[in-house]
Amino acid sequence: DGGITQSPKYLFRKEGQNVTLSCEQNLNHDAMYWYRQDPGQGLRLIYYSQIVNDFQKGDIAEGYSVSREKKESFPLTVTSAQKNPTAFYLCASKWQSSYNEQFFGPGTRLTVL
Amino acid sequence: QQQVKQSPQSLIVQKGGISIINCAYENTAFDYFPWYQQFPGKGPALLIAIRPDVSEKKEGRFTISFNKSAKQFSLHIMDSQPGDSATYFCAASKGGATNKLIFGTGTLLAVQP
Repeated sequence: DGGITQSPKYLFRKEGQNVTLSCEQNLNHDAMYWYRQDPGQGLRLIYYSQIVNDFQKGDIAEGYSVSREKKESFPLTVTSAQKNPTAFYLCASKWQSSYNEQFFGPGTRLTVL
Repeated sequence: QQQVKQSPQSLIVQKGGISIINCAYENTAFDYFPWYQQFPGKGPALLIAIRPDVSEKKEGRFTISFNKSAKQFSLHIMDSQPGDSATYFCAASKGGATNKLIFGTGTLLAVQP
């Protein structure tokens, strides 16, 4: 069953803690993306990666970090430096050769207590 | 120049009616315009997309109309159903596989039975 999986679905974090959100895809997509979604603000790009071992900052990268050690995996770490981390986080992926036809995972809702 | 402006913010339509959501852009380099549908607590799903070489694209009850001179594009949902109730996002991207998708702020559609 091909697709993009994100885990966990819900995540609670205490202030000052780092947390890592998982994103895995078995679509053989080359590029992977992390977005943050807040009410009324659409989707904002955090980080993206076109190939393994390479990634670029998006529009709101401060307080976040990523790695891309495997083609199918692109984990996002929300660090304690992120001032307002409570949000819905979405992972997406696409083939490099396609237009920006991005496919999204089901999302992780992060709440800071 | 990088913004995509979406309207209305919310929309209520009667069952069987036509839902119309509009988006406008400034950057004439944009050449890929997708629409995404998102149900509460889920990731966005690609609904339909258009390139500027055509003025209209239809898939089932969903139609994109594109006006290149006005730099506007719209989503029409014919025979709207309660199951269409969701948030709809337009987006735009420049040519080239490495360019980012720029999202509108979303329209919350409610189809009343």
